[in-house]
This record gives sequence, C-alpha cells and structure tokens, in this order.
Amino acid sequence: AQSVAQPEDQVNVAEGNPLTVKCTYSVSGNPYLFWYVQYPNRGLQFLLKYITGDNLVKGSYGFEAEFNKSQTSFHLKKPSALVSDSALYFCAVRDTNAGKSTFGDGTTLTVKP
Amino acid sequence: DGGITQSPKYLFRKEGQNVTLSCEQNLNHDAMYWYRQDPGQGLRLIYYSQIVNDFQKGDIAEGYSVSREKKESFPLTVTSAQKNPTAFYLCASSETGGGNTIYFGEGSWLTVV
Repeated sequence: AQSVAQPEDQVNVAEGNPLTVKCTYSVSGNPYLFWYVQYPNRGLQFLLKYITGDNLVKGSYGFEAEFNKSQTSFHLKKPSALVSDSALYFCAVRDTNAGKSTFGDGTTLTVKP
Repeated sequence: DGGITQSPKYLFRKEGQNVTLSCEQNLNHDAMYWYRQDPGQGLRLIYYSQIVNDFQKGDIAEGYSVSREKKESFPLTVTSAQKNPTAFYLCASSETGGGNTIYFGEGSWLTVV
C-alpha cells in the first residue's frame, strides 16, 4: 500500500521570505514523487518530480524539492515567495510496482505582500 | 495545442438523471484517469484505464461508469446511483509506467439541482 501525508492544511508566508510545504510518504518499494499546483477552478499543473538520482530536484517557477529517504519526506521549497505563488499544492506518490498514484489532501499556500 | 480537453465546464443534473462528462486527449497517452475533488479537499480516484478497452475501479467507483473505446477518449457517466455527485471532476492522462507525469484537464463542475 502507498500513502502520502501533507501535515499542514495551510501555510502562510510573507512575500520575499522562503517557503516550505511539507510532504511525507509511505511505499513498499521505491517511490516516485511529484508536486502539483492548482489555482482556483483549474486543473492541476505539474511542478516537479523525483524519480532517481540527485536528491534535490528543481522544477518550474523557481520551486525545488528535496527527497529524504531516511525521513520519507519530499518537501517543496522556494527561496523567495511571490504573491502569485498563492495556490493549493498537492504532493503525490507512486510505488514502482503500483498502477496508480496517490495524492495528498493538499496544502493551501498564502503569500502576503 | 496538445493537451486534455474536458467538456462541459459546468453541468447541472436533475435528481435521477444520468450525465456524461467528456474527456479527450491528444497527447497519445495510454493511461487515463478520472478524479473527484470536493471543495477544499484532495483528489479521489474514480476510475483509471491503462489501455484501450480496459479499465479499473479506483477508490470511489460506486455510482460512476466509464468506457475506453478509443485511446484518446475516456468519458465518465455519473449515474443516478451516485447520491452526492456535486463536485469538481478532473480528467488526466499519462504514459504508462510509474515515473511518468500525470497531466490534467481543466476540470468540470457538476451540480445537482
């Protein structure tokens, strides 16, 4: 079985400050990990993914995420937040042996000017 | 442009009525998915298909039906057996294989009137 947890329903940061959105996962095999962003009334947009290799993954719009196998985490980060980053963020995991992905419940990021 | 097209964007269903949501992709992806998203909540998998003429139930398949007669099309029917169908429905597609990114359509709102 595979699962993913986003422990924070909401994250608030000031514009220009660094941001972190947390994600932890559980899989029986090796994980494939993904981050998506959703703006109101829209579909999900892909930000970045970890498949294998370097633990630090860089993605779209200046976002990056760090894969930590010992802590089973894949936190999303950005050095300097923008107001336009305000949105709903989803972490997803897929076991190498699974036929489908599992999504977290989402974290609402609010960046205040 | 390549992508996933969902229609209609907004749909109203009367009690006891079946409705069908359309999903078409021109990305040449083998796998297609339907998710349900309730306001302020995460994604729940309804059905998925990894190849034409084959599909599997997801976590909340009761009250829904699908078909996959063509590679590019994966329509979802919300039947009268689905007692609480009001939600945002997202169609998605990907190549098969765990590390492949899932791409989403813009979603369809279904409301019971």
